[in-house]
Amino acid sequence: DAKTTQPPSMDCAEGRAANLPCNHSTISGNEYVYWYRQIHSQGPQYIIHGLKNNETNEMASLIITEDRKSSTLILPHATLRDTAVYYCIVRIPLGGGSQGNLIFGKGTKLSVKP
Amino acid sequence: DTAVSQTPKYLVTQMGNDKSIKCEQNLGHDTMYWYKQDSKKFLKIMFSYNNKELIINETVPNRFSPKSPDKAHLNLHINSLELGDSAVYFCASSQDRRRAFFGQGTRLTVV
Repeated sequence: DAKTTQPPSMDCAEGRAANLPCNHSTISGNEYVYWYRQIHSQGPQYIIHGLKNNETNEMASLIITEDRKSSTLILPHATLRDTAVYYCIVRIPLGGGSQGNLIFGKGTKLSVKP
Repeated sequence: DTAVSQTPKYLVTQMGNDKSIKCEQNLGHDTMYWYKQDSKKFLKIMFSYNNKELIINETVPNRFSPKSPDKAHLNLHINSLELGDSAVYFCASSQDRRRAFFGQGTRLTVV
């Protein structure tokens, strides 16, 4: 089962920042937070990941709280093409057995509106 | 070049048939996966495989079997297809279980 909780849906105006929250209160010390998204009918796409420090790349920023029990994915200037289901996942990247597997929850359906 | 490719993209078949979906990755990754996405859009992992171990989700019927002829391929064989097997199947790969790359999916319809 997924170890994260996300709101089922969110709306965002085009050009504004989209802030997607995720709760992972049972995260363990060696688990990373990953974000993926799935645009309609396509395969999931990696966005970003982090352990405890905030991270930024060309797609998004990831803010992780100091206690690591929650995080926020930020799309700084959302476009219509960012409409997708966003998944927050915790995992051990080098975990043996099933620990390292990506386990998807229900995600947040983000709708970017003109 | 496509990193993870699946064939076919669409597959329509009758109940009781046996079918295979092929997956190839050209990234040199050591781990490959199969996921199933049902009509409710839930993505569930079915298998993860590298040259050391095969991890099977216990909910997967034994009619499903992954076969890996080499490190770059992980094919999915399905025997005695049932209506409930209709779904989109995604293949993925990663190196050392880091960032995963997904294929574009195979939409299987069992009639």
